[in-house]
Amino acid sequence: DTAVSQTPKYLVTQMGNDKSIKCEQNLGHDTMYWYKQDSKKFLKIMFSYNNKELIINETVPNRFSPKSPDKAHLNLHINSLELGDSAVYFCASSQDTGSRSNQPQHFGDGTRLSIL
Amino acid sequence: QQQVKQSPQSLIVQKGGISIINCAYENTAFDYFPWYQQFPGKGPALLIAIRPDVSEKKEGRFTISFNKSAKQFSLHIMDSQPGDSATYFCAASMNAGGTSYGKLTFGQGTILTVHP
Repeated sequence: DTAVSQTPKYLVTQMGNDKSIKCEQNLGHDTMYWYKQDSKKFLKIMFSYNNKELIINETVPNRFSPKSPDKAHLNLHINSLELGDSAVYFCASSQDTGSRSNQPQHFGDGTRLSIL
Repeated sequence: QQQVKQSPQSLIVQKGGISIINCAYENTAFDYFPWYQQFPGKGPALLIAIRPDVSEKKEGRFTISFNKSAKQFSLHIMDSQPGDSATYFCAASMNAGGTSYGKLTFGQGTILTVHP
């Protein structure tokens, strides 16, 4: 059973298109994240949702819009794709335990986005 | 601003040797320091983590050493095996709620190669 699953695994598309990446977790966690890993493998957080509420929004272009329909799902929609958006996008989840917010984050296997 | 600096960028070790990866952080509000292991085509997976109230944590062949005054922490892999060949990331986060909630700041990564 995959704990954090992302679809699609690969996404190749033209510049200017709009695309979505989906993430689902079956761990019962209530916090989910999107990270971007660039070509140099540097990982940077983009967004975080807790109980469907946006709690972290890094300086990401507003072409990127996350959406959490429920606690188990966090999708990422990207408008007007640019060459610089080519990267691996990782979804992750963790359990909110109240005062101790630093709980292990479980990552999916990523979506490799290539912009032509 | 790069808040977590990791070195070396790459490391080659013989089987049975000790692998050492170092990280330094700037933000004294960080209070959770995990290490992640990433294999090609996979997402990062939590390896071991430490909080600043202890100076060392050991799990099997993996040990974190933590120096709060120097704002440094390191990962030691004893008896390194070819199966340990992967990219290793240190990270840090703070238990501050608000916009820092669960946010992991990653180091740049170290590509470890263990030769048989």
